[in-house]
Amino acid sequence: DAKTTQPPSMDCAEGRAANLPCNHSTISGNEYVYWYRQIHSQGPQYIIHGLKNNETNEMASLIITEDRKSSTLILPHATLRDTAVYYCIANNAGNMLTFGGGTRLMVKP
Amino acid sequence: NAGVTQTPKFQVLKTGQSMTLQCAQDMNHNSMYWYRQDPGMGLRLIYYSASEGTTDKGEVPNGYNVSRLNKREFSLRLESAAPSQTSVYFCASTRDSIQAFFGQGTRLTVV
Repeated sequence: DAKTTQPPSMDCAEGRAANLPCNHSTISGNEYVYWYRQIHSQGPQYIIHGLKNNETNEMASLIITEDRKSSTLILPHATLRDTAVYYCIANNAGNMLTFGGGTRLMVKP
Repeated sequence: NAGVTQTPKFQVLKTGQSMTLQCAQDMNHNSMYWYRQDPGMGLRLIYYSASEGTTDKGEVPNGYNVSRLNKREFSLRLESAAPSQTSVYFCASTRDSIQAFFGQGTRLTVV
């Protein structure tokens, strides 16, 4: 797995976009970028993944830089229920998933 | 569709006791994982099973054994529990290691 670096914590105002950065400067060409989140003490929840192109689903958007060395997860209109720890993982499909420290996002009213 | 089911949800053990944490998935996934999460920390991989009958060690396998007896079930055994194994244990499954589904966790306290 490529090493990922995320800020330990971030704040966001409710209703605003939350932009969570992730550095993965050693990512290889066939490694995907995955995002998961963990709300309170529940099991982690898959959010989105991408290889080269930007991706969007009902939960979030994933923007990957052209050189693939970093990415940003965007929650377009953050709600209080989006308060969670967000994990960025860079990994080959088919390999075991390993989690780093993540970013603790606090959405404030 | 139950997804990933872990039993028990809570357990208290005395030091030296043994127990097995059970995990079952109904999504016909090939890969299954066991993680532990200590308070305020991220998840650490204990063991991984890519398919029925195969297992591999993760980051923190010492003190644990696993069994993947069939495609649905992946169990984690503590042979002689220690206070350092107090943690929340999560089981996960995935078809292709892209989208993993997690259980709700087993909260284990070893006294």
